[in-house]
Amino acid sequence: AQSVAQPEDQVNVAEGNPLTVKCTYSVSGNPYLFWYVQYPNRGLQFLLKYITGDNLVKGSYGFEAEFNKSQTSFHLKKPSALVSDSALYFCAVMGRRALTFGSGTRLQVQP
Amino acid sequence: DTEVTQTPKHLVMGMTNKKSLKCEQHMGHRAMYWYKQKAKKPPELMFVYSYEKLSINESVPSRFSPECPNSSLLNLHLHALQPEDSALYLCASAREGYEQYFGPGTRLTVT
Repeated sequence: AQSVAQPEDQVNVAEGNPLTVKCTYSVSGNPYLFWYVQYPNRGLQFLLKYITGDNLVKGSYGFEAEFNKSQTSFHLKKPSALVSDSALYFCAVMGRRALTFGSGTRLQVQP
Repeated sequence: DTEVTQTPKHLVMGMTNKKSLKCEQHMGHRAMYWYKQKAKKPPELMFVYSYEKLSINESVPSRFSPECPNSSLLNLHLHALQPEDSALYLCASAREGYEQYFGPGTRLTVT
């Protein structure tokens, strides 16, 4: 079965500092990996995906993610955090025709 | 246009009521999904429609009844719900195998 794990319930970072939100995956075959962000009382917004190709994937709002096959990781990164980046972030993997989500990581960016 | 719309935004219903949630997309996506999300938890898959046919039912109780009248619309009919069914109900659509686009959700409260 396809699964992803997000080991951190919460990540705190100061505005202007780089941020990393961690995700590891367990799949059979080639992974299709995604990152989504959710603001309070809102739906999920697609940030980026890895299907194949370059290991560094660039997405919306200045976010990027690094696919690492040897470490089975797909960490989300941003060079300089904004207070407005504070939200709940979900890593996901494509399973049998639908997404399986990680448990989520709350990102708190302090001014 | 990457918009998925959902109505209503909020719904309060008694345990004996019958109500429906509606979802609409005009991106030509042939896969549509219903998810249930509890507070601070990841979305849980309920149903998947592919080309207007139900392809996945994740053992959802029969008090939830999905319907796909056409390729742009997805309904979720609710009857005799329980208080524990209170949650954010999210609709999503996708080209099969690609990223899903989510609506803003319907916040359901069962009294």
